[in-house]
Order: sequence, then C-alpha cells, then structure tokens
Amino acid sequence: KNEVEQSPQNLTAQEGEFITINCSYSVGISALHWLQQHPGGGIVSLFMLSSGKKKHGRLIATINIQEKHSSLHITASHPRDSAVYICAVSSSGSRLTFGEGTQLTVNP
Amino acid sequence: DTEVTQTPKHLVMGMTNKKSLKCEQHMGHRAMYWYKQKAKKPPELMFVYSYEKLSINESVPSRFSPECPNSSLLNLHLHALQPEDSALYLCASSHSKGASYNSPLHFGNGTRLTVT
Repeated sequence: KNEVEQSPQNLTAQEGEFITINCSYSVGISALHWLQQHPGGGIVSLFMLSSGKKKHGRLIATINIQEKHSSLHITASHPRDSAVYICAVSSSGSRLTFGEGTQLTVNP
Repeated sequence: DTEVTQTPKHLVMGMTNKKSLKCEQHMGHRAMYWYKQKAKKPPELMFVYSYEKLSINESVPSRFSPECPNSSLLNLHLHALQPEDSALYLCASSHSKGASYNSPLHFGNGTRLTVT
C-alpha cells in the first residue's frame, strides 16, 4: 500500500461542475501539498497546509489530521482546470512523498 | 510564467554525449532540487542542495552529476546516459533550510530529455 493514496485516478467532468479529489496518507506529516501539472510538464504548487482549510479563487483545500485525509475542491470547473493534480506529504526531516496523481478532464 | 527557469526545454542526446541541464531562480531560495519524472508517474527526487551544498543524493547513478555554482543556479551534468534515462527532468526551489520540505516548492517547466 502506498503511503499516499489519491482518488479517483481519472475524473471527467462537464464545465461548471463541482469537483472533489481525495488524498489519504498513512504516515505522520508536517505538511500536505497539492500540486497541479499541465500537459506541458510544469508543476504549480496550489496549496501547502498542515491544518484546516485554505481557499484560493475557485480552489479549496481541506485537511483532517486525525483522519489523515485531505480534499481538493474545484468550484465552477472550467476546461482550463484540466490537468493532473498531485497530493504530496512532507514529514520532518524526510522526503516529499507523492501520490500517483489524478488526471482531471473538464469538457466544455 | 514560472519563477524557476529551466533550459533547454527539450534535449535529444546520444549515449556517448555529454550535456548539461540548467536551472535558475532569483527568489532568494536556498534549497534547490532535481526531480526525474517518467510518463504518468509522480516525480522522483534525485538531488537536494541546501545553501549550495549537496544534502541529499537519492542513490542516483554517477552518470548524473549535479552542480550548484551559486545560490541562484543549479546544473545537472549528463554523461553516458542510457535510453531508460529518457524522462522529464524538473528543477524546484524552496525557502526551506535543509530538506524539511515545509515550505512550498516552486517548480520549473522541466527539460524533456530523450536518450537515443
């Protein structure tokens, strides 16, 4: 079992839909990162959080430390949101452990 | 636009060639990283530099040789690569001291390397 599990692996949505991507982890962490990777390859850091909830535009990230679970929500999805979304966790003095990613496709 | 600049964007090299990948950032970050990413897989850490010193080498073969000439630049020298080394090579930087990964990573757009 991977230390970081994401679901779903693939997600197709219609423009305007509310989207949720989930991330569960099995290790103690100091922070959880949500990353976005477009087909060109570049990776953008969306959020880094260690508790509670963060919001940036149409994106919301939440984390429940007790349940070792985080969600990334996208409201009013748009085709330009199509990308791979990656959850990664950092532990004190350790490496960043990545999930396998969720491929999101938003159709117009 | 990314604040971490990688060159070249694409590189094709033969197994006997010597080439270098370059990475530059001017955000004052003191931790810089090289990652390797194969298709449809998450990035794999290769090297971490902290304050221009190599702090992590993830048992990377010696045909990959990193160099950090100053706090803004990170190079990856390539020699005698194998076709299985073909991948996207990503550079990243962060404010972190050492490799605690407790500040956001800023990634470049990567160099897509093909070894023939």
